[in-house]
Parts: sequence; structure tokens; C-alpha cells
Amino acid sequence: GAVVSQHPSRVICKSGTSVKIECRSLDFQATTMFWYRQFPKQSLMLMATSNEGSKATYEQGVEKDKFLINHASLTLSTLTVTSAHPEDSSFYICSAGAGPRNIQYFGAGTRLSVL
Amino acid sequence: QKEVEQDPGPLSVPEGAIVSLNCTYSNSAFQYFMWYRQYSRKGPELLMYTYSSGNKEDGRFTAQVDKSSKYISLFIRDSQPSDSATYLCAMSVNNNDMRFGAGTRLTVKP
Repeated sequence: GAVVSQHPSRVICKSGTSVKIECRSLDFQATTMFWYRQFPKQSLMLMATSNEGSKATYEQGVEKDKFLINHASLTLSTLTVTSAHPEDSSFYICSAGAGPRNIQYFGAGTRLSVL
Repeated sequence: QKEVEQDPGPLSVPEGAIVSLNCTYSNSAFQYFMWYRQYSRKGPELLMYTYSSGNKEDGRFTAQVDKSSKYISLFIRDSQPSDSATYLCAMSVNNNDMRFGAGTRLTVKP
């Protein structure tokens, strides 16, 4: 149980394009989903917390107009990187909270490379 | 001072060794403590989860939490090459605000 699917696993795009990443909880409903960014050999940095049916809460320093988050259902959250630039290249990972204690289970991550 | 401190290693041990991984933290309000394993270019996989103080065992893995010392540990017995990964400690007050350690890179040599 507690499987989180993240798609796509790898994206290469040109500068200026937008990229959408999907995060799905496959066998449970997740009221809360989280989006993280991870640089090489560094730990996870929380970007935003998304709650189903409401606006996401962004961490300090994360541009909400740059990283659009939609949590339209209890099993799906999307992160759209708008007008991507090379400095947005990174590993993006989502997680979903499961159970009464909202333990986070992670997707496999998306490696974004912006040329 | 970081909220969560974890020695990034790298840590290299021979197969069969007992591995000890540790984290310290400063926020006494943390009450959920997790250990995740992350293979290269993959998302973290939940290994152990502990609420408040105490020990928890699952197969070759044992997690310990000492809230009085603000110190948590993960022990791996009979380590295997397949245990080679980065181990992340994580902790939170209510699981909506999880804070991660830097991760310890472990290599188990055959």
C-alpha cells in the first residue's frame, strides 16, 4: 500500500517552455501532497504544500507564479514549471500524506533538464 | 544551527557489518521521526517511522529515538551491498512540516 506515482521521470525541454509534472496516490486518498526540489548530493527542500481543493502554501523564496500547483482531486496533484530556464533544472519529487498521521510517501522523482 | 544535523559521510563498510546512522535536532516539538532510503536518481522510500521516543525494529533495521538528547539512530544489521544508498532522517511536528537531514551516503562492499 501507499504507492505514489510520479510522471514523467525525465524531461528535457527548451528554455521558455512550460513543463507539467503529475503526482498520483494510487491506492489511497491524499488530502495533502508536497512538492520538493533536490539538488545533487543535497537533501530535499520543501517547495510547497498542496491541499485538495485549496491554494497551495509555498515556502519562503519559492515563486508561486513560476511553480504552479494544482491539487484538483484527492489522488492527483500537478506541478507546472512555467517558462522554464536552465536554473530550474533539478530533481523534483512529490510526496503524499497517508493515514491519520499523514506519513509522507514519495514518488520516484522527475529529473528536469532545461536547455 | 540547522534544525536537523546529519553527517553526510560517505560511510563505507564491509558486507555483514552493523551500520549506525544518526541525526541530531534542535526543535523539541518534533514528535514524528522517519528514516528514508534513497537510491541514486530515485525518490525516497520510507524505511522506518517512529512516533515520540522509543525503539522500533523491522527485520534488519532498528530505529531509536531519544527525545531527551534530541538524537535519533538507525541501525542496520548484517548489512548487504543492496543497502548501499543514501539514508535520510526526517522529522516533524505534525507531518505537514517535515524537515530532512542532509542524508548519509552508505556503501556496503561485498
